[in-house]
Amino acid sequence: DGGITQSPKYLFRKEGQNVTLSCEQNLNHDAMYWYRQDPGQGLRLIYYSQIVNDFQKGDIAEGYSVSREKKESFPLTVTSAQKNPTAFYLCATSFGQTNTGELFFGEGSRLTVL
Amino acid sequence: DAKTTQPNSMESNEEEPVHLPCNHSTISGTDYIHWYRQLPSQGPEYVIHGLTSNVNNRMASLAIAEDRKSSTLILHRATLRDAAVYYCILRDVVEYGNKLVFGAGTILRVKS
Repeated sequence: DGGITQSPKYLFRKEGQNVTLSCEQNLNHDAMYWYRQDPGQGLRLIYYSQIVNDFQKGDIAEGYSVSREKKESFPLTVTSAQKNPTAFYLCATSFGQTNTGELFFGEGSRLTVL
Repeated sequence: DAKTTQPNSMESNEEEPVHLPCNHSTISGTDYIHWYRQLPSQGPEYVIHGLTSNVNNRMASLAIAEDRKSSTLILHRATLRDAAVYYCILRDVVEYGNKLVFGAGTILRVKS
């Protein structure tokens, strides 16, 4: 099946631990994005990557890190420096360098810090 | 990014049309108007987008005011599956990468 796979769907973490969320896509899309969503809020952009081996900070990058070593993969690490990491994390992709096309979203990963 | 203003929530009856408004008074000439919707505990789903002319697709219609300072997403016959949060977003055509900025959106409730 073509699409975006995020894993794990649910994740629990103790304070002070780093955790990595996976995002894999087989849509052959160039651009990939990570968004965070808090209850009752809209989505906020964490990081985005327009091409392999390149990525830019979004609006709330502090306490997060990413890598883009392969076109298909854009993992997000939530570090212990992130003060309030409990949230719903969404990965998205878009095709090529168009500015008018749509974003495709994964099912999301829900992270809870205990 | 230019900002949009949407009502917090709206309610509709099943099988009736729904008009979801969006104000964007600071829109620039190169901003596209995008609409997405999000079901509970799922990722957002693309609905429609446009620049100046009204647009139709299988999901909805987008009516854009002549001065482009407002737009309306039209669901022609609401179903229970249309109950979701609807986001109106402006997208600058000169900015590369489809970086979309989401607001809080409009919660649409559909009554049977």
